[in-house]
Amino acid sequence: GQNIDQPTEMTATEGAIVQINCTYQTSGFNGLFWYQQHAGEAPTFLSYNVLDGLEEKGRFSSFLSRSKGYSYLLLKELQMKDSASYLCAVMDSNYQLIWGAGTKLIIKP
Amino acid sequence: TAGITQAPTSQILAAGRSMTLRCTQDMRHNAMYWYRQDLGLGLRLIHYSNTAGTTGKGEVPDGYSVSRANTDDFPLTLASAVPSQTSVYFCASSDGTGSEGNEQFFGPGTRLTVL
Repeated sequence: GQNIDQPTEMTATEGAIVQINCTYQTSGFNGLFWYQQHAGEAPTFLSYNVLDGLEEKGRFSSFLSRSKGYSYLLLKELQMKDSASYLCAVMDSNYQLIWGAGTKLIIKP
Repeated sequence: TAGITQAPTSQILAAGRSMTLRCTQDMRHNAMYWYRQDLGLGLRLIHYSNTAGTTGKGEVPDGYSVSRANTDDFPLTLASAVPSQTSVYFCASSDGTGSEGNEQFFGPGTRLTVL
């Protein structure tokens, strides 16, 4: 079966750094996506990795290791507005996205 | 630019009734998708369409049907609603045919309660 695992909930402090991990087992791999979803809103795209390594975009970075079936999203200089759920999704061999259940990130002042 | 719109925003439906959830995008994207999101579960794909005139089944298609008569619209129909279809439904679209790793853009969602 196909499986995406990420922690259910994490707590971090404003101004700090947090790393959200995602491990996956899918039938084929055509890239990994991270989305942000604020409560009651639609998911919005954050990053896409298809090759191994780190992709940096402002305060957010995403890392991929295909051999380990592993990715992480790194958020720096946390702000209260970063309180949201972070969704990991893998594009499988049929070019369909398989989604993790999401990690709820709570930021404390 | 509106992006993707969905209607209605929310709906309470009696079990056994039919309903169509509407989705319209103005970005001229080829690919469109319907997902449901339930607490504690990831988004699950119901149906998709890679281009106008074609549709395909996702992970959880039973009890749902779709059509794609043109590029902009992708309605989702529940023929005879059951309580297990209570969920938040998201429509999404992406450029290309979905095979290029293009990001998906999501509509605001429809919250459906089946009693």
